[in-house]
Amino acid sequence: EAGVTQFPSHSVIEKGQTVTLRCDPISGHDNLYWYRRVMGKEIKFLLHFVKESKQDESGMPNNRFLAERTGGTYSTLKVQPAELEDSGVYFCASSRRSGASGTGTDTQYFGPGTRLTVL
Amino acid sequence: AQSVAQPEDQVNVAEGNPLTVKCTYSVSGNPYLFWYVQYPNRGLQFLLKYITGDNLVKGSYGFEAEFNKSQTSFHLKKPSALVSDSALYFCAVRDDDYKLSFGAGTTVTVRA
Repeated sequence: EAGVTQFPSHSVIEKGQTVTLRCDPISGHDNLYWYRRVMGKEIKFLLHFVKESKQDESGMPNNRFLAERTGGTYSTLKVQPAELEDSGVYFCASSRRSGASGTGTDTQYFGPGTRLTVL
Repeated sequence: AQSVAQPEDQVNVAEGNPLTVKCTYSVSGNPYLFWYVQYPNRGLQFLLKYITGDNLVKGSYGFEAEFNKSQTSFHLKKPSALVSDSALYFCAVRDDDYKLSFGAGTTVTVRA
């Protein structure tokens, strides 16, 4: 079974440019999450999809960030325009079960992350 | 609100010695606790989790963790560390919500 994959592995952009990160979850996983780790600090939750619907986007820092999951398969996270403080590692994770019941016990499997550097 | 604390930024041990990585947590509901490991230039790998039941949880690569409700701790342990265990370890907690809250991470260095 293939794991969670993320593309690109690294991205270096200028301040004000746009970047789109992609995540392909494990096949059959309804839940997809985005997290990020900035400047070696804690890994912070950004948002959660259940299939194609946003379940929780309380961690999105501001409206420069836009996440989509069309068709309930892969997801993209767009940063437009990018700022210096957006630099960090963006992780995607997926877990199997959908719905509120029992979701808290599911293991989230993480991808390798995308390292974003904004200059 | 839920939170996790990993009080040690770094842990250094000699190969063959016991390894302990500390974690304490705070949640308002039922604690679901996880340990992840990040090897250099790799993503986060799941090690083990506590949901309910036996307080001693066994996971991958010979790691185990003990859930202690009274001390709100979930320390990660390995009886005999290997050089290949050198990595960054994250403790995480979820309550009845979906999202994980992570600690700041502990860098483990095992010297030969």
